[in-house]
Amino acid sequence: DQQVKQNSPSLSVQEGRISILNCDYTNSMFDYFLWYKKYPAEGPTFLISISSIKDKNEDGRFTVFLNKSAKHLSLHIVPSQPGDSAVYFCAAKTSGTYKYIFGTGTRLKVLA
Amino acid sequence: GAGVSQSPSNKVTEKGKDVELRCDPISGHTALYWYRQSLGQGLEFLIYFQGNSAPDKSGLPSDRFSAERTGGSVSTLTIQRTQQEDSAVYLCASSLVARFSSQPQHFGDGTRLSIL
Repeated sequence: DQQVKQNSPSLSVQEGRISILNCDYTNSMFDYFLWYKKYPAEGPTFLISISSIKDKNEDGRFTVFLNKSAKHLSLHIVPSQPGDSAVYFCAAKTSGTYKYIFGTGTRLKVLA
Repeated sequence: GAGVSQSPSNKVTEKGKDVELRCDPISGHTALYWYRQSLGQGLEFLIYFQGNSAPDKSGLPSDRFSAERTGGSVSTLTIQRTQQEDSAVYLCASSLVARFSSQPQHFGDGTRLSIL
């Protein structure tokens, strides 16, 4: 039972263009969502989060959008840079619990 | 350093041997998690420690897996009688109190375990 799904295993984008990474979830009790970036041989690093009381959160080049009715969130990176090439994981949890559920990741490749 | 530290970074061992993986969380972080990432898979939750509370062991895949956290700081994950399917990257993460506040986790670089 995969509660958090990242259906695109990989994505290639030209440098300077927008990268859009998608994540779907099935558990309507999730109310806190995060994105992590992972380089090879390193642990995931926290990028940006959003709580369910918002539908958008922005931090520099990174914006996360949350559509609760569709149970969908997306991460937009604008403009994309070669250093953004990594695997991106979305994760979700329910407040009052401590267990984060992770997606399987999307490998982003930004082409110079 | 100030981050989560895991050791060893790589471990190769023969099937049937026991292995012990270590995690040093960020100082002051009371929550500690262990995850496993198999090839092409997402992060699979294994176990969670929070302060002095009983750990949540619900993610441990079999009784060959155990973990402890001494003094609320360093944690060790032990796998007994290793099998080839145990080959994966084992990641440790820590965070401030997680239950009623939303705090991101900080991950170590993981231990890549290979069972021959």
